[in-house]
Amino acid sequence: DVKVTQSSRYLVKRTGEKVFLECVQDMDHENMFWYRQDPGLGLRLIYFSYDVKMKEKGDIPEGYSVSREKKERFSLILESASTNQTSMYLCASSFARGTGSFETGYGYTFGSGTRLTVV
Amino acid sequence: AQRVTQPEKLLSVFKGAPVELKCNYSYSGSPELFWYVQYSRQRLQLLLRHISRESIKGFTADLNKGETSFHLKKPFAQEEDSAMYYCALRGGAQKLVFGQGTRLTINP
Repeated sequence: DVKVTQSSRYLVKRTGEKVFLECVQDMDHENMFWYRQDPGLGLRLIYFSYDVKMKEKGDIPEGYSVSREKKERFSLILESASTNQTSMYLCASSFARGTGSFETGYGYTFGSGTRLTVV
Repeated sequence: AQRVTQPEKLLSVFKGAPVELKCNYSYSGSPELFWYVQYSRQRLQLLLRHISRESIKGFTADLNKGETSFHLKKPFAQEEDSAMYYCALRGGAQKLVFGQGTRLTINP
């Protein structure tokens, strides 16, 4: 069974702490993504990566950074956590456009999410 | 710019009634459209893609380029259809843009 694994299901951190959210995929996908999911706002893209050591800002990158040192791992970093970063964080991965089988297509595979609470 | 709009945050229908979840998009090129579903306590998963023209769990969705819509339909709702549904679009880039989501509740 293919998987995207997020290291923590629930996290509680204090304001000002540096927070690391880890995501690992075992599907040899080129693309990896970090979204946050908030009621009424849907999924908003924070950062994404097309390849190792490559990253691009999404729609809401402020207050976040990312790291992709290996193809299978994509880390989201909150440099100094704030209460407005309390949210559900979803990691996803996909094949790059033009690669992979048609059946897997260009859809994402999501992790189960990390619910982060900043107090 | 790429944008996806799901006008209904909440939708409630009775079991056996038809269901339609609306999705409108904004994109100047040829889009790829998807529907994702999240059941209670489960991860977000792909429901269907417009490119494959498939029916999954009785749901279908037709891309209407003239109306820039990709509405999700099912003729007879079942209780297990209760979930959060997201419409998503991929334009020229690799990333998906999601709508705000619609929470569907099927009443017995």
